[in-house]
Amino acid sequence: ETGVTQSPTHLIKTRGQQVTLRCSSQSGHNTVSWYQQALGQGPQFIFQYYREEENGRGNFPPRFSGLQFPNYSSELNVNALELDDSALYLCASSSGLAGGRTDTQYFGPGTRLTVL
Amino acid sequence: AQTVTQSQPEMSVQEAETVTLSCTYDTSESDYYLFWYKQPPSRQMILVIRQEAYKQQNATENRFSVNFQKAAKSFSLKISDSQLGDAAMYFCAYRSALMYSGGGADGLTFGKGTHLIIQP
Repeated sequence: ETGVTQSPTHLIKTRGQQVTLRCSSQSGHNTVSWYQQALGQGPQFIFQYYREEENGRGNFPPRFSGLQFPNYSSELNVNALELDDSALYLCASSSGLAGGRTDTQYFGPGTRLTVL
Repeated sequence: AQTVTQSQPEMSVQEAETVTLSCTYDTSESDYYLFWYKQPPSRQMILVIRQEAYKQQNATENRFSVNFQKAAKSFSLKISDSQLGDAAMYFCAYRSALMYSGGGADGLTFGKGTHLIIQP
């Protein structure tokens, strides 16, 4: 069974640029969630994709956007980067269960984004 | 909105001893899950244990067990026979059991974490 993978591992960008982070979900999972973890903090929920559609969003501005592909892999795009966007970005996959119930999320190793 | 509070920024324990990490949460929902995740310096968030709110029995995974007090909204993690490899940040997390709760899916709500140090 293949776990959740993310690329790249590290990324350095300058303020105002755009960035794309990628995530491959665990085999058998159809739901991907993205989180931002600032240094010394717990992760904050950005949004979730289920069957290629965004179906939940945390308190993040529209310049944070995403995609989910037919193979359930996902991208996180951030436009107009700000210094405060420097963080560890975590992707987690899970299964959408019958009856609309959620299931345990399994995390990837993360992408460390530094904005200069 | 749900909140999760971890009041211990750092805990230290001798190897082979037992340690308990505290977590409290606030919610108006009755159907939810609670989790403990471990994040070592490698950064990957690893699931330690999961508890369904409708289950009265406390979850156990080998040396890890929880004390789930639903009425008190308390969810502590006990680590028995602590090992050097247990050293990490530990995060308590909450999630609604319903994917479409509140009109849209909610992600995990995390506490700020407890840094666990294992003294050899």
